[in-house]
Amino acid sequence: DAKTTQPPSMDCAEGRAANLPCNHSTISGNEYVYWYRQIHSQGPQYIIHGLKNNETNEMASLIITEDRKSSTLILPHATLRDTAVYYCIVRASGSARQLTFGSGTQLTVLP
Amino acid sequence: DGGITQSPKYLFRKEGQNVTLSCEQNLNHDAMYWYRQDPGQGLRLIYYSQIVNDFQKGDIAEGYSVSREKKESFPLTVTSAQKNPTAFYLCASSAGLAGVRYEQYFGPGTRLTVT
Repeated sequence: DAKTTQPPSMDCAEGRAANLPCNHSTISGNEYVYWYRQIHSQGPQYIIHGLKNNETNEMASLIITEDRKSSTLILPHATLRDTAVYYCIVRASGSARQLTFGSGTQLTVLP
Repeated sequence: DGGITQSPKYLFRKEGQNVTLSCEQNLNHDAMYWYRQDPGQGLRLIYYSQIVNDFQKGDIAEGYSVSREKKESFPLTVTSAQKNPTAFYLCASSAGLAGVRYEQYFGPGTRLTVT
C-alpha cells in the first residue's frame, strides 16, 4: 500500500470549511484513497473514499488531484464535534487485508 | 442497532496474567480485525480474520492469540508473553470480499492497563 503524508495538526474556526491535505505520490492505479477520523478515546469512524473522481457524502467532500498524487478532505462547516485525528489511507480495493493507519492530522475546531 | 461491541471499556490486570478482550459484531461481516493503539500513535494491526476458523498474523502478533469460531465473534487474548500490553485495543470488521465496497467499522475500544 502507498505511503501517505499528512500535516500533524491544523486548526479551523467553527462554521468555516476545514481542508485537510494528504500527499500520496506513490499511489498506484488500483489504489483508493480512504479517510477515517478518530475522536479521542473512541474507535475510528469511516468518512469517505474515492478512486479518481471527486466524491461527496453527508459528512464531507473528497477532492483528488488529476494525477492522484494528493487529495483534500473538506468538512464544509466545521463544528466543535469535528475535533479529531483524521487519517488518510491509500490501499487497493478488493481484498480483506488490513488498513494501515499512520499518525494522521489532529484537527482542532476553535469556537 | 447494527454495530460492533467491545467489552469491557476499561480493564486492569497484573503482570503475568493472560487476559481476553471481547469483540462481537452483528453486521454480518466476514472479516474482523484487532488493532493496538499507543498514545499519540496510529493503529497497528495485531491479527485479522477473513472467514470463520481462519486468521492471519498482522504486524505485531507476538504475545497475542485469537480465535474465530463464530462469524460474529473474534476474541483477542493478550498473553503474559506480550512485553508491553498496556494500550488501547480496537476491534473492527468489514464486508471484506473482493469487489465489495470496503470500509472498516470500529468498535469503541478497550483500554487495557497492566501493572
